[in-house]
Amino acid sequence: EPEVTQTPSHQVTQMGQEVILRCVPISNHLYFYWYRQILGQKVEFLVSFYNNEISEKSEIFDDQFSVERPDGSNFTLKIRSTKLEDSAMYFCASSEGTPNQPQHFGDGTRLSIL
Amino acid sequence: AQSVTQPDIHITVSEGASLELRCNYSYGATPYLFWYVQSPGQGLQLLLKYFSGDTLVQGIKGFEAEFKRSQSSFNLRKPSVHWSDAAEYFCAVSPAYSGAGSYQLTFGKGTKLSVIP
Repeated sequence: EPEVTQTPSHQVTQMGQEVILRCVPISNHLYFYWYRQILGQKVEFLVSFYNNEISEKSEIFDDQFSVERPDGSNFTLKIRSTKLEDSAMYFCASSEGTPNQPQHFGDGTRLSIL
Repeated sequence: AQSVTQPDIHITVSEGASLELRCNYSYGATPYLFWYVQSPGQGLQLLLKYFSGDTLVQGIKGFEAEFKRSQSSFNLRKPSVHWSDAAEYFCAVSPAYSGAGSYQLTFGKGTKLSVIP
């Protein structure tokens, strides 16, 4: 069964550095999402991406964050200048299209900011 | 704004016992409803979903859930729990329609299930 893959599985970065989290969604999927889960808390929506542009973003997704689909297969989340509070598990998800097609999640990238 | 409440943070059951995990939602219209399971260090796996029709939906691993509109609930059940069911369970909602083309999920805080052998 096709799956969403995320790399790296764990990223350790110094505060203030830029990080790029990478995701390869399922190939025929059209909608892409990033979520994050701070340790011990619930999964929170960050941003959705459709038709090569952001379709919706949460208040968490400020100017430090950006997303890109550079080559038709990868979907990346960039954090420009990381803060301690960015430490979390970041999940990528994709879905085929209409809302009755559920989102498929990757295994996540654990981001640790020192 | 939509919200999802899972009132039980942690539940412990004996293997073979029945299970019910509670989920209540607040939403302007009937949303789409989901249950996901997360094993330690892993991503979120879809257990089941409700869009419309029969209010009792069957999922993978022997799980089922019942949508009750009058109670704004979507409780997850399993008649006989296995040790491998120990994990964290998340209830989630998404809009049924989005003019923006975004069907983002709103999650509850999760219920951690422990299974006693």
